[in-house]
Amino acid sequence: NAGVTQTPKFQVLKTGQSMTLQCAQDMNHNSMYWYRQDPGMGLRLIYYSASEGTTDKGEVPNGYNVSRLNKREFSLRLESAAPSQTSVYFCASSDFPRITHEQYFGPGTRLTVT
Amino acid sequence: GESVGLHLPTLSVQEGDNSIINCAYSNSASDYFIWYKQESGKGPQFIIDIRSNMDKRQGQRVTVLLNKTVKHLSLQIAATQPGDSAVYFCAGSSGYSTLTFGKGTMLLVSP
Repeated sequence: NAGVTQTPKFQVLKTGQSMTLQCAQDMNHNSMYWYRQDPGMGLRLIYYSASEGTTDKGEVPNGYNVSRLNKREFSLRLESAAPSQTSVYFCASSDFPRITHEQYFGPGTRLTVT
Repeated sequence: GESVGLHLPTLSVQEGDNSIINCAYSNSASDYFIWYKQESGKGPQFIIDIRSNMDKRQGQRVTVLLNKTVKHLSLQIAATQPGDSAVYFCAGSSGYSTLTFGKGTMLLVSP
């Protein structure tokens, strides 16, 4: 049982390049989330998917798109990366509303945009 | 929207002391709160949670206290150990599937 996995662990992009961050969970959770974390800041929600087939914007969605590929996988795409998107990105999943709000986090992707 | 924040950005304690990390929230509709621990280079890990119909909940060496009157919660860590050094986040929810996180408090434990 790997929990939440994210790939890649590290990435460096040039301004304007695109990339997709991958996330998968093996806990059969309904809900999945993408956050970004900047130095000295808490976690800010980018997008979430409350169930397979649905996605919703969070606090900071501009410049990102998401796809809930199936129940296990939730990807985050940067179409044209900007230096302001340099951050650590975390994916999480939860079984809300079946169990609790507890979210399980992946190890993160450290993205630098130059 | 909901705002969840912390009073102290850094807390330094000696090994063996008890630690108290505080958190204030603004949304009186918040009905669930959770504390996470984040070690350097890792994702947040669940510590303990509490629903708004409770005012105290205990775990192993940790206690969360909730004061709905002043919209405040705290995390108490007993007999703090060097391995407790990390950033601690509180987060809250008001019935939806999303959590709103505070900015975090760094706990530094010296031997």
